[in-house]
Amino acid sequence: EVQLLETGGGLVQPGGSLRLSCAASGFTFSTYAMTWVRQAPGKGLEWVSSISSSGGGATHAESVKGRFTISRDNSKNTLFLQMNSLRAEDTAVYYCAQSATGWWFFDYWGQGTLVTVSS
Amino acid sequence: EIVMTQSPATLSVSPGERATLSCRASQSVSSNFAWYQQKPGQAPRLLIYGASTRAAGIPARFSGSGSGTEFTLTISSLQSEDFAVYYCQQYSNWPLTFGGGTKVEIK
Repeated sequence: EVQLLETGGGLVQPGGSLRLSCAASGFTFSTYAMTWVRQAPGKGLEWVSSISSSGGGATHAESVKGRFTISRDNSKNTLFLQMNSLRAEDTAVYYCAQSATGWWFFDYWGQGTLVTVSS
Repeated sequence: EIVMTQSPATLSVSPGERATLSCRASQSVSSNFAWYQQKPGQAPRLLIYGASTRAAGIPARFSGSGSGTEFTLTISSLQSEDFAVYYCQQYSNWPLTFGGGTKVEIK
């Protein structure tokens, strides 16, 4: 059974940093591209960042470019999102999601972790 | 950026009735298109990909159609567990983009 478990969310002041983790199990992590999607309270879904299966290629939304960095450790079956210079508008539930092989839709999602940026 | 526009924002339907949800892309995405269902407090669940292929375990009452810029999700006979928010997504171009959602509520 595919499982994705996000951790690392919490309350942070504007300008602060957080590192989210997503522990994967139930599939061969190193063969799947992975993605972070976020959802602000009461709002819709927003793509944040994606990374290739090897970690050699990554892309980020313009809204987070230069502030967020997606990475992965295939030896530990874990996906990361380093978030710096956080803003109030980054407040959201952050989901990690497994990308279908060769395509950028999402077969499996974690339960999400809440990031709140507030003073 | 490809803008995805869903309509209506809210759809009121009685159990057992048919529901038709629409999504329009600002430019062609071919069939690189997916639908998701999200219930309160839960993560999204993949329903349809490739515009018309049901994901594993999705009941046959869910069907998707369309290509290019116009897409439709049809729920043939709404069950109680189908009342939720539905999102469309294009994966033809970067950035990946989602529609704003359609809430299907009980009439």
